[in-house]
Order: sequence, then C-alpha cells, then structure tokens
Amino acid sequence: DIQMTQSPSSLSASVGDRVFITCRASQSINSYLNWYQQKPGKAPKLLIYAASGLQSGVPSRFSGSGSGTHFTLIINSLQPEDSATYYCQQSYSTLFTFGPGTKVEI
Amino acid sequence: QVTLKESGPVLVKPTETLTLTCTVSGFSLTNAIMGVSWIRQPPGKALEWLAHIFSNDEKSYSTSLKSRLTISKDTSKSQVVLTMTNMDPVDTATYYCARITEDCSSTNCYKRIDYWGQGTLVTVSS
Repeated sequence: DIQMTQSPSSLSASVGDRVFITCRASQSINSYLNWYQQKPGKAPKLLIYAASGLQSGVPSRFSGSGSGTHFTLIINSLQPEDSATYYCQQSYSTLFTFGPGTKVEI
Repeated sequence: QVTLKESGPVLVKPTETLTLTCTVSGFSLTNAIMGVSWIRQPPGKALEWLAHIFSNDEKSYSTSLKSRLTISKDTSKSQVVLTMTNMDPVDTATYYCARITEDCSSTNCYKRIDYWGQGTLVTVSS
C-alpha cells in the first residue's frame, strides 16, 4: 500500500500569514493527490484535487502544488475560519490512503 | 443537490457484525464516472479509507481490513451497504460514506472524494 506522511503535524499561525503543509508519498503518485479540510465535528471538505485543481467554491487563497512524491498545500493570507485539520489523500492506487493530518491553529 | 446519509446501529457488541447503509440522492449509482467510498475516523484520530464501489461493480478494500469487509450496492434503492465482521472496541469510530467522482483528460483519469455524508458514530462495547 502507498503510505502518506504529512508535516508538520500541527502549526500555529496568525491571520494574514502564508502557511505551507507538506505531504509525501512512499512512491510516485504522479498528480493523483487530493487535499481536504476538516473542522471539529464536521465531515471533511475537498479543497484541492489532482494536486493543483481548486475545487469549485473553495477560496482562491488555497492552492496546491507538486507531483511524484512531494506535494504542498499553500494557504495564502490565513483567515480565522481556516482553523482546521488538513489531510492529503492519494488516488493513484485503487486502495486510497490518507495522510495523518496537519492541525492548523490560529 | 447531492446528499449522502449513513444509517445503522450506534452501538454494537464485540464480535458482532456491523451493517451500515449509505442512502444517496442527487446522483445515480449507475453513473459511469462515480462511486461511493466508506471512510472511518476514530475519535481524535485520522481518516482511514475502508472500501469503495463503482457503477461497474468494481470493488476495492483496505488491505488491513479486507477479510472483514464487504461492500455492495442496490441501485434501485440508491443505497450502498458496508458490512464489517468481528467488531472490536478499536473499531469505535465515526463512519462516513462519500461520493467519488472521476475526471479524465486525454491522458489521465483523476478520482476525488467530492461529497461526504455527515457521518455516524459507531461505538463497540459490551
């Protein structure tokens, strides 16, 4: 199975900051990488698909980059409502796997 | 409007079999570019993908749980059912069903989980 790791596991930032979250795959997954945001008590929400595609309705301050084994979620101009846990997920394999999550506190 | 809703027991005993139903609306389980996944999340922990099924009845299961899981669909009822045998307290979690959508370019097809149910908390305890 493809293993996903994320760093950092948590971070604290201020409103207006630019935040970077890294996701790595145990093997090349091309661009088959999605990012989700989850707030406490809520279901996850898709932010980015295919490594860099912005899901409809998601603010443009969210962006994604990377391919192969190394990916980055970037949040520009962090907002209070961005306080959440962020997960990456690979869809290269038919056996999906999620990363362990990155908790963002503001 | 796309919705998914999980239903099933809130409490199961160790060794029992869990049966969860996902009822979908706003899309069809016969749609060639769509499928349904089950994903779980123990309290305070990360998401764990369990299984998915597509319109052509293609099924995939988590390697670590494959022997305990069965996924099936009833297109006439717009339902996807997940069974998990031999439940244990470590299986206590919120269980989500979610829609998978596939987009294809000229060279690649990308899958993403674009809609989620609200989740249902299942507790395993005697």
